[in-house]
Amino acid sequence: DGGITQSPKYLFRKEGQNVTLSCEQNLNHDAMYWYRQDPGQGLRLIYYSQIVNDFQKGDIAEGYSVSREKKESFPLTVTSAQKNPTAFYLCASSIMGETQYFGPGTRLLVL
Amino acid sequence: DQQVKQNSPSLSVQEGRISILNCDYTNSMFDYFLWYKKYPAEGPTFLISISSIKDKNEDGRFTVFLNKSAKHLSLHIVPSQPGDSAVYFCAAPDSTDKLIFGTGTRLQVFP
Repeated sequence: DGGITQSPKYLFRKEGQNVTLSCEQNLNHDAMYWYRQDPGQGLRLIYYSQIVNDFQKGDIAEGYSVSREKKESFPLTVTSAQKNPTAFYLCASSIMGETQYFGPGTRLLVL
Repeated sequence: DQQVKQNSPSLSVQEGRISILNCDYTNSMFDYFLWYKKYPAEGPTFLISISSIKDKNEDGRFTVFLNKSAKHLSLHIVPSQPGDSAVYFCAAPDSTDKLIFGTGTRLQVFP
């Protein structure tokens, strides 16, 4: 089955803790993206990567970090510096210049 | 400065009638537009797209119209069905292929 998977579906973070959200795709897409969705707002781009071992900051990168060591994987770490991490996080991938396809999302909640 | 705008946060339509979702943009360099549909707690799914060289694209019950002079596009769903109830996002890729999303319109189709 080809597609994008995100895990976990729900994630709880304690104050001061770093957490990592997983995103994997087997679509052989070069580009991968992380978005955040808050109620009443559109999708805001956190980070994106157009090729392995390279990534760029999006509009709201502060408090987040990523890595792209493998083409199929693009994990997102929400660091303790992110003061308002509660949101729905969406990962997407695409062939460059073509339609982005999204994973099912991870909801992050702060304890 | 929001380059893609969806000014109606919500829309309510009776089953069987037409749903019209609107989207405005400010960047005349956009040459491709997409509509995504999103159910709660799920990732967006690609619905339909249109190139700027066209003014209409149809796929079953879904038609997207593009008015370049007005920098306006609309998604028509006819006939509307209860399963169409979701949040609809319009989006356009910028010059680096990053998608710029609108804030979404929540469509509710009632019996």
